[in-house]
Amino acid sequence: SAVISQKPSRDICQRGTSLTIQCQVDSQVTMMFWYRQQPGQSLTLIATANQGSEATYESGFVIDKFPISRPNLTFSTLTVSNMSPEDSSIYLCSVEDLTGRLYEQYFGPGTRLTVT
Amino acid sequence: GQQLNQSPQSMFIQEGEDVSMNCTSSSIFNTWLWYKQEPGEGPVLLIALYKAGELTSNGRLTAQFGITRKDSFLNISASIPSDVGIYFCAGEAPSGTYKYIFGTGTRLKVLA
Repeated sequence: SAVISQKPSRDICQRGTSLTIQCQVDSQVTMMFWYRQQPGQSLTLIATANQGSEATYESGFVIDKFPISRPNLTFSTLTVSNMSPEDSSIYLCSVEDLTGRLYEQYFGPGTRLTVT
Repeated sequence: GQQLNQSPQSMFIQEGEDVSMNCTSSSIFNTWLWYKQEPGEGPVLLIALYKAGELTSNGRLTAQFGITRKDSFLNISASIPSDVGIYFCAGEAPSGTYKYIFGTGTRLKVLA
């Protein structure tokens, strides 16, 4: 499976600021996704990062709050904008390589965000 | 919206015991994935299931895709301390989108 890294691994941010999280994969992959995991909770899909076009957001998530870029098949960024304490979560990127093992989704190590 | 309920919510077991957990939904799924997450890490894929009735093993782990396609089961045999973590099921929804809904999780603690 692909090796996925995320930067930063953790951060503490002030209310009202923005943080950009990077996700790097060691091989080209077809699908990339961003998830949020609130403290003690399960994972919730934020959006599908589409290469070369706008991301596809799930219900309850909007581009102004969570802008996403995917310039190529190995890299994506998620920005958490105008942060509030409610944004304190683990943010995870995941990938699926549809040319490989279909439907298997692999996760990065996550970015632990605390907003004060 | 669709939800995946996992039970039990948490388990405390003795080392060497077998563990069973399940994941249920009111909707049909075509693909089920099972993950394990340890503190400070991302979920790690354990087993993928693609057909109703399918039984798949990965070492001491065995998972089954329920016949109704609305549930899935994970068993761990002869548990060891490193089995500690949170186990999540995930179902592909909607079908063919490659997107997954995650279950509520089962927290497993193994007492040596």
